[in-house]
Amino acid sequence: SQKIEQNSEALNIQEGKTATLTCNYTNYSPAYLQWYRQDPGRGPVFLLLIRENEKEKRKERLKVTFDTTLKQSLFHITASQPADSATYLCALSNQAGTALIFGKGTTLSVSS
Amino acid sequence: EAGVTQFPSHSVIEKGQTVTLRCDPISGHDNLYWYRRVMGKEIKFLLHFVKESKQDESGMPNNRFLAERTGGTYSTLKVQPAELEDSGVYFCASSQYLYRTADPYEQYFGPGTRLTVT
Repeated sequence: SQKIEQNSEALNIQEGKTATLTCNYTNYSPAYLQWYRQDPGRGPVFLLLIRENEKEKRKERLKVTFDTTLKQSLFHITASQPADSATYLCALSNQAGTALIFGKGTTLSVSS
Repeated sequence: EAGVTQFPSHSVIEKGQTVTLRCDPISGHDNLYWYRRVMGKEIKFLLHFVKESKQDESGMPNNRFLAERTGGTYSTLKVQPAELEDSGVYFCASSQYLYRTADPYEQYFGPGTRLTVT
């Protein structure tokens, strides 16, 4: 069955450092991979989308890579800030771009 | 622009009772999705509407769950009768028609309804 693994449940880093989160998937060939941010008591908020034919995408301090051979995506937050503390979710979607398949998420804590 | 809204925010019911969750998507969004997160697990897809039609209901756990989207606007998700394992957070999300946006697969989520079945 399809499976998504996010490398760790929790990641603690110091302010100013780069946070790197990993998403690995098996038994799936997604057309799109997305990253969402979720704060406690709120729904996920879309951050970035990367297509299967794209290697890398950037948005301000965020960078996503997508390696369909390794079946892996890396999500980087550079110059991290305490306000970046949240749970980050990796999600895959199929060619039709309908149902999202989520990982469990990684909770990032940035300390000042 | 108002976001996706869900009602109620919390619901506590007894096993065997009926609960109806409501979702109001962003105005103009043809796609409406229901997801659920059970404690300790990942968010899982339940079903997808395009306007008033069910496009994909492969994630619905069983026939105790009934989703409707009359008129293609708001949607309801009814659980009848509720069981203990139905407890969790139910999220609704909406997105524009696939070919009208630069990121056609971005979904906008509501805050969720936390359902507790005792």
